[in-house]
Amino acid sequence: DTVLTQSPTLAVSPGERVSISCRASEGVDSYVHWYQQKPGQQPKLLIYKASNLASGVPARFSGSGSGTDFTLTIDPVEADDTATYFCQQSWNDRTFGGGTKLEL
Amino acid sequence: QVNLLQSGAALVKPGTSVELSCKASGYSFTDYYIHWVKQSLGKGLEWIGYINPHSGFTDFNEKFESKATLTVDKPTNTAYMELTRLTSEDSATYYCTRGAYNNYVMDAWGQGASVTVSS
Repeated sequence: DTVLTQSPTLAVSPGERVSISCRASEGVDSYVHWYQQKPGQQPKLLIYKASNLASGVPARFSGSGSGTDFTLTIDPVEADDTATYFCQQSWNDRTFGGGTKLEL
Repeated sequence: QVNLLQSGAALVKPGTSVELSCKASGYSFTDYYIHWVKQSLGKGLEWIGYINPHSGFTDFNEKFESKATLTVDKPTNTAYMELTRLTSEDSATYYCTRGAYNNYVMDAWGQGASVTVSS
């Protein structure tokens, strides 16, 4: 299985720029996607294929990377961005990262 | 708008089976794959498998091949997942999702269905 590793938590202040990382145990080309999950809700797609903004997602969110290292950036962060962010790869079957909890 | 409406929470006994449903609306049901994802406290998010509603073709995470059965009912735009021989390890929230962009991405998610396995 392709393992995706994320830092468990990040603490930031509103207005700052934050980067959330996702490292794959093997190359996954650009087939990494990012989801936001707020407490009690289902995940929501933010970014697909590393850098493409999903429909309706604010331009404050952006993604980059290829191969094994990927980054989700939020700039500027807003209070409503408090959530857990998951990366997911679809190059080798489908696996998810453990999630990064963003605290504001 | 795209909507995936899942069946409600289930409390089931060990050793039994449970069937979860996922009713799709707002798009052509047979044009997109349906995936199922498990979310548990201990294991995070796990992909279970997907079904092509048009052909009925399925593909599974090896871990769930003998645990889950995926089917669809095209006239009602509904996907189903049956989980068998339930144990406490199957207690989790299960999501159905829509596969988009050549099935690489899950672009819409149901609200989730909680399954609790307890005697």
